[in-house]
Amino acid sequence: KAGVTQTPRYLIKTRGQQVTLSCSPISGHRSVSWYQQTPGQGLQFLFEYFSETQRNKGNFPGRFSGRQFSNSRSEMNVSTLELGDSALYLCASSFGSLVRSSPLHFGNGTRLTVT
Amino acid sequence: AQRVTQPEKLLSVFKGAPVELKCNYSYSGSPELFWYVQYSRQRLQLLLRHISRESIKGFTADLNKGETSFHLKKPFAQEEDSAMYYCALSGQAGNNRKLIWGLGTSLAVNP
Repeated sequence: KAGVTQTPRYLIKTRGQQVTLSCSPISGHRSVSWYQQTPGQGLQFLFEYFSETQRNKGNFPGRFSGRQFSNSRSEMNVSTLELGDSALYLCASSFGSLVRSSPLHFGNGTRLTVT
Repeated sequence: AQRVTQPEKLLSVFKGAPVELKCNYSYSGSPELFWYVQYSRQRLQLLLRHISRESIKGFTADLNKGETSFHLKKPFAQEEDSAMYYCALSGQAGNNRKLIWGLGTSLAVNP
């Protein structure tokens, strides 16, 4: 079974640009969550999508958005990039049911560098 | 405020020694707690969760509500246990996706 796939692995952008990251979940998983990882803040929850609907959102500005397609693939978009957006962005998929039966499966992440 | 604290950034032990990775949390309500692990060049993966009360790879963790702790323990560390360990708290009842994370502890098990 293929794992969670994130593309691209690395991105370099300049301030003010926008970026789109992609995540393909494990087959059969309907929930996709996104996390930002930085050395100073650690892992922070961005948002979660389930069946094409955003179910939860973390404390990030509106520049961070996402969506999920009917095949459960998800994209995350960051507009008007700032230097502080430089981070590893992790995607995780799960069946999306109750916590007892649905662990998170993580991708390798997309390393975004904003210059 | 909901928070997870892992007081040690780095923990170094010798093979065969006991190891305890500390995790303290702040949460109003009944928490769901997890330990995730990331081995070198591998993905972040779930190690164990408190509701399962299981032992994975010799590791156990007990939720202590009085001390608001969820320390990870192993009686005899192995070199293959060297990894980054993250403690995480479910910030929403019944939702294991909206997690609040500690900053992690890097465990080095020396031969």
